[in-house]
Amino acid sequence: GAVVSQHPSRVICKSGTSVKIECRSLDFQATTMFWYRQFPKKSLMLMATSNEGSKATYEQGVEKDKFLINHASLTLSTLTVTSAHPEDSSFYICSARSRDLNAETQYFGPGTRLLVL
Amino acid sequence: GQSLEQPSEVTAVEGAIVQINCTYQTSGFYGLSWYQQHDGGAPTFLSYNALDGLEETGRFSSFLSRSDSYGYLLLQELQMKDSASYFCAAPSEDNFNKFYFGSGTKLNVKP
Repeated sequence: GAVVSQHPSRVICKSGTSVKIECRSLDFQATTMFWYRQFPKKSLMLMATSNEGSKATYEQGVEKDKFLINHASLTLSTLTVTSAHPEDSSFYICSARSRDLNAETQYFGPGTRLLVL
Repeated sequence: GQSLEQPSEVTAVEGAIVQINCTYQTSGFYGLSWYQQHDGGAPTFLSYNALDGLEETGRFSSFLSRSDSYGYLLLQELQMKDSASYFCAAPSEDNFNKFYFGSGTKLNVKP
């Protein structure tokens, strides 16, 4: 099956620093990747849609200068949380849709748990 | 806007059958998906309904009624490992490539 990886799985950082999270599709090419944020016991909130070779599309209320997204290739998207603050602490999950596999399915990465002190 | 509503929590015993409902509001509709998420883990795809009716995949089935803007996930022969959160999800009304998730239902399976 399609595999999506995320790195790191867990990160603790100081307030004011920037954190980069990588999302990779390991065995398929992902034309589109998505970044979600999930608070404990809550649903997944779509933050942005990442398209290879073009600018990301951000959901309403998500600061694009705060959450920088780069989709450099068909297998890699990165999310950088700039000048992180404690309220940015959350579970960040990426997903990918394959160009060739089931178009109705999103394949999720294992998530990155961010804690900002 | 677009919204998908689910019950927050359901409890059932091992071996039983449980139904998790999802009602949605959207001006355009491209189908309903279901995902399972264990605590601390990533969501995994369970099923997708594009048309009305029942889709069966092993112990799990999913149903859709577009006229009622309603769907459900049916879990049969419940096992302890089925304890997880279940989310319905639907593509955005303005972009089929974007998915929005329901509020999620926490399923507790008891011995």
